[in-house]
Amino acid sequence: QPVLTQTPSASASLGASVTLTCTLSSDYSEYKVDWYQQRPGKGPRFVMRVGTGGIVGSKGDGIPDRFSVLGSGLNRYLTINNIQEEDESDYYCGADHGSGTNFVWVFGGGTTLTVL
Amino acid sequence: EVQLVESGGGLVQPGGSLKVSCGAFGFTFSGSAIHWVRQASGKGLEWVGRIRSKANSYATTYAASVKGRFTIFRDDSKNTAYLQMNSLKTEDTAVYYCSSRRWATVTTLENYWGQGSLVTVSS
Repeated sequence: QPVLTQTPSASASLGASVTLTCTLSSDYSEYKVDWYQQRPGKGPRFVMRVGTGGIVGSKGDGIPDRFSVLGSGLNRYLTINNIQEEDESDYYCGADHGSGTNFVWVFGGGTTLTVL
Repeated sequence: EVQLVESGGGLVQPGGSLKVSCGAFGFTFSGSAIHWVRQASGKGLEWVGRIRSKANSYATTYAASVKGRFTIFRDDSKNTAYLQMNSLKTEDTAVYYCSSRRWATVTTLENYWGQGSLVTVSS
């Protein structure tokens, strides 16, 4: 099954932009990845799915246009433009692997985004 | 408004049992797979298992760490899913989230999460 690697922390100033990266382990370059936002003390929230061609399907409910994704090689990126205070959260990537009784849902370790 | 609401968490002794419920509102529960994901304090997300919809025979799959101890089931008439946890260990201590997933179109995933229920395994 794939391993998803994320940088533990990132920071950006209010109004600036930041790009978070989720790196798939080798041999899984065709995998799509989901991004989730988890605000402090809250459950995760689906942001959007990304493959090598960019967004797959639609954004999650209420996700602003400031959030976008790209995919290249083993990397799946989440970019947040014009960062707001409410964007300060943990961001996780996740991927489905297998099907039926072999299905697993794997997650990266998460990136804590601090808004300065 | 879409909501997933977990309930039933609490303190249980090692070796004990606990059942957590997940009530769903405002979306197509019966057509959705329901997953359980847990998060230990200060840690990341760990998938626990899933139950698929009736169309997929209510098939269940579990993570290796809980297989044989945890059981997921659902009652579509009540829009509720359950996580039955037996033979609990201290390392099962975590906030347990339920998450619904449904393919609204071929490419669009509909995914919702609850607010979580804390399960503490301690003597």
